[in-house]
Amino acid sequence: GDSVTQMEGPVTLSEEAFLTINCTYTATGYPSLFWYVQYPGEGLQLLLKATKADDKGSNKGFEATYRKETTSFHLEKGSVQVSDSAVYFCALSDQEAGKSTFGDGTTLTVKP
Amino acid sequence: KAGVTQTPRYLIKTRGQQVTLSCSPISGHRSVSWYQQTPGQGLQFLFEYFSETQRNKGNFPGRFSGRQFSNSRSEMNVSTLELGDSALYLCASSLFGGVAPADTQYFGPGTRLTVL
Repeated sequence: GDSVTQMEGPVTLSEEAFLTINCTYTATGYPSLFWYVQYPGEGLQLLLKATKADDKGSNKGFEATYRKETTSFHLEKGSVQVSDSAVYFCALSDQEAGKSTFGDGTTLTVKP
Repeated sequence: KAGVTQTPRYLIKTRGQQVTLSCSPISGHRSVSWYQQTPGQGLQFLFEYFSETQRNKGNFPGRFSGRQFSNSRSEMNVSTLELGDSALYLCASSLFGGVAPADTQYFGPGTRLTVL
């Protein structure tokens, strides 16, 4: 079945540092890929998505590129802020399976 | 547009009781999916409803059930509660189920269920 593997956390960075959160996936078909963010006490919010190979999703300074050859969708941001502290989830949606699969989440803490 | 709403936000129940959670999707969305989020298991898919029909189901016991009404609002029921059912229950709505390339799931804030 489908699976998503995320870099284990927690990740702690200083403000303005470069962020990478690794995500790799296994799927039988051609899934769409997503990054969601969850702030304390809230539900998941869509951060960005990519629907086909080589697509780049971007939002709020975050970006991720759909790499079919390495089955990866790593999240990056050039300069993190304290307000980026949250839990980040990588996910895929598989039209054949008819459902979405989520990674375990990576907790990011950004210190001033 | 109003977002996905879930009620209640917090619930405390005791073992053996049953509970019903409600989810109102974004207007126009016909698909509602339910997820259980726990620190140990992460985000686990429970089931998805589309136009009042259950289309997909995750690996949860029959104590977990749901339904969807003609206005797309959905309810989830858990009977004979166990301590391990303590979790954040999230619902997500989308136009077609979130699996079509152009579709996206939008999540509600969740219902925090505590079983004592």
